[in-house]
Amino acid sequence: QVQLQESGPGLVKPSETLSLTCNVSDASVNSHTHYWDWIRQSPGKGLEWIGSIYYTGHTYYSTSLRGRLALSVDPSRNHFSLRLHAVTAADTAIYFCARRTLDNFFDYWGLGLMVTVSS
Amino acid sequence: DIQMTQSPPSVSASVGDTVTITCRATQAINRWLAWYQHRAGEPPKLLIYAASNLIGGVPTRFSGSGSGTEFTLTINNLQPEDFGTYYCQQANSLPPWIFGGGTRVDIK
Repeated sequence: QVQLQESGPGLVKPSETLSLTCNVSDASVNSHTHYWDWIRQSPGKGLEWIGSIYYTGHTYYSTSLRGRLALSVDPSRNHFSLRLHAVTAADTAIYFCARRTLDNFFDYWGLGLMVTVSS
Repeated sequence: DIQMTQSPPSVSASVGDTVTITCRATQAINRWLAWYQHRAGEPPKLLIYAASNLIGGVPTRFSGSGSGTEFTLTINNLQPEDFGTYYCQQANSLPPWIFGGGTRVDIK
């Protein structure tokens, strides 16, 4: 069974950089048939797709975060990562990592990690 | 960007009832639509892809229909384990991949 698990800090100060990692089990981030994505859910709101990375390193970013968001993939550790710069309170959310098929469906998700931006 | 509107925002139903959730897209997306179930403390779960294809292991009381701009998720014979929030997602060829606002299903 494919499993994804987010890890990282639960609290980040405003203006700092949020770094999260998604560890993947029973699947390879070197897959030619899947992308690796990040989705977040702000308090009281719905799901917001924020970015995607392919094993080649090719990325897609949400226009709302472009310029602050950087995704990377590490096949040697079978994980992928997110770095979000200059965070504000608006970045407070549950961050999910997910695997996306070539047909753009998210077939496996992590449990999610709550990240609060506060001083 | 394509926007997705779900209705109703919430529904309370009894075991055995039929629940219908609607999702509308601002542009035609053919059948590029998925439905997810999200229960607290669990990862979101893909139920249906390409509008009407049930993921293996998902009970057949779940069904999806529609194409173009209007889609429906139907839960027949509602069971206690079906509580949670349901989201649609447009899976068009280009990002961003937008989710509907969600429909919370409560069991009476």
